Amino acid sequence: AQSVTQPDIHITVSEGASLELRCNYSYGATPYLFWYVQSPGQGLQLLLKYFSGDTLVQGIKGFEAEFKRSQSSFNLRKPSVHWSDAAEYFCAVGARYGGSQGNLIFGKGTKLSVKP
Amino acid sequence: GAGVSQSPSNKVTEKGKDVELRCDPISGHTALYWYRQSLGQGLEFLIYFQGNSAPDKSGLPSDRFSAERTGGSVSTLTIQRTQQEDSAVYLCASSLREITNTGELFFGEGSRLTVL
Repeated sequence: AQSVTQPDIHITVSEGASLELRCNYSYGATPYLFWYVQSPGQGLQLLLKYFSGDTLVQGIKGFEAEFKRSQSSFNLRKPSVHWSDAAEYFCAVGARYGGSQGNLIFGKGTKLSVKP
Repeated sequence: GAGVSQSPSNKVTEKGKDVELRCDPISGHTALYWYRQSLGQGLEFLIYFQGNSAPDKSGLPSDRFSAERTGGSVSTLTIQRTQQEDSAVYLCASSLREITNTGELFFGEGSRLTVL
């Protein structure tokens, strides 16, 4: 079964600074990979996804993520953080094969705070 | 409605009572998911419905939890004999087809359950 780890529980960055949120997964093959964001009082929203092809994927709100097979990672990046990016970010993996296809396994999330 | 609708938004109950949580997915979405979000625990997969197929119940934590989906649309998550550890936000999500085809879950805002 697949699993996902987000090593950082809470990160604080200054507005305008760059951001990288880490995500590592465990799966026997290349999984489907996702980043979701949960803003305060709102539901989760998809930021970006990786299925195949180009390992650098672009998402909404200026975010991007890079799939690195050798490191089993799918880190989320943004070159310049805005105060409105303060939220909780979840990495998720989906299985390509086997009985657990169809569901997504989420990490425990990384809470991002933005300093003015 | 335009999005996934969940009710009630907040439910306070006494230990030992049964509760029902309702989810109305986006019209036309064949896949429906229930997740549980506890503080610091991320999103825990509970159950997944896809069309007329048998649901994937592999995430249900105990036999006190059950869910049904009537007519391929509305779903109800039932928790019998609630315990304090059941306190959490229960999130429902829907998808147009299997996640591996569409890549995106649309989440409701959740039902916050508090068991006293």
